[in-house]
Amino acid sequence: QKEVEQNSGPLSVPEGAIASLNCTYSDRVSQSFFWYRQYSGKSPELIMSIYSNGDKEDGRFTAQLNKASQYVSLLIRDSQPSDSATYLCAVNFRSGYSTLTFGKGTMLLVSP
Amino acid sequence: GAVVSQHPSWVICKSGTSVKIECRSLDFQATTMFWYRQFPKQSLMLMATSNEGSKATYEQGVEKDKFLINHASLTLSTLTVTSAHPEDSSFYICSARGPRGGETQYFGPGTRLLVL
Repeated sequence: QKEVEQNSGPLSVPEGAIASLNCTYSDRVSQSFFWYRQYSGKSPELIMSIYSNGDKEDGRFTAQLNKASQYVSLLIRDSQPSDSATYLCAVNFRSGYSTLTFGKGTMLLVSP
Repeated sequence: GAVVSQHPSWVICKSGTSVKIECRSLDFQATTMFWYRQFPKQSLMLMATSNEGSKATYEQGVEKDKFLINHASLTLSTLTVTSAHPEDSSFYICSARGPRGGETQYFGPGTRLLVL
């Protein structure tokens, strides 16, 4: 059974701080990893994808991937109250197929 | 780019009726679309994978005769909930595999179904 694990939170950080969201997955051969943000009552929106070990930066967001540890994280710098949402980690366990397995998400609360 | 729409956004129906939900890729062709269901405070659960011109692939535990999926064109997939019951009330979200067949999925805004 392929699994994606996330701490459900909530993770509370003050405005301006760095929020660190973590995700582990069960299959070492997984190749593709995605972070989505989901506001309450809305559908998920893509933040970023990462495929190679290391860091990938996009604005205030940095995704970090460590395939040996089966671990992917998302850092949000200069957190804003508008970043308050549930963050979903998704993994493509089968290269060449596009089915994603989602974690249950981590709720992030950024206080002003 | 990669915009996905869904219609309707809300639907309330009586128990026993059928409801059709449309999912469209607006600015790209999507050979593969996905249908998810999300209950309150729970994660996304994949119901089925819809491939243009072929039968959908359903996840274990999803009744294919109850949730009919049609993907007749490269920009449209439909999900029909047949003989809906209150336990089918949920948030139904479609996604489309991105332009040029990439692995990224782009989500529609979702359809909230309430069965009375």
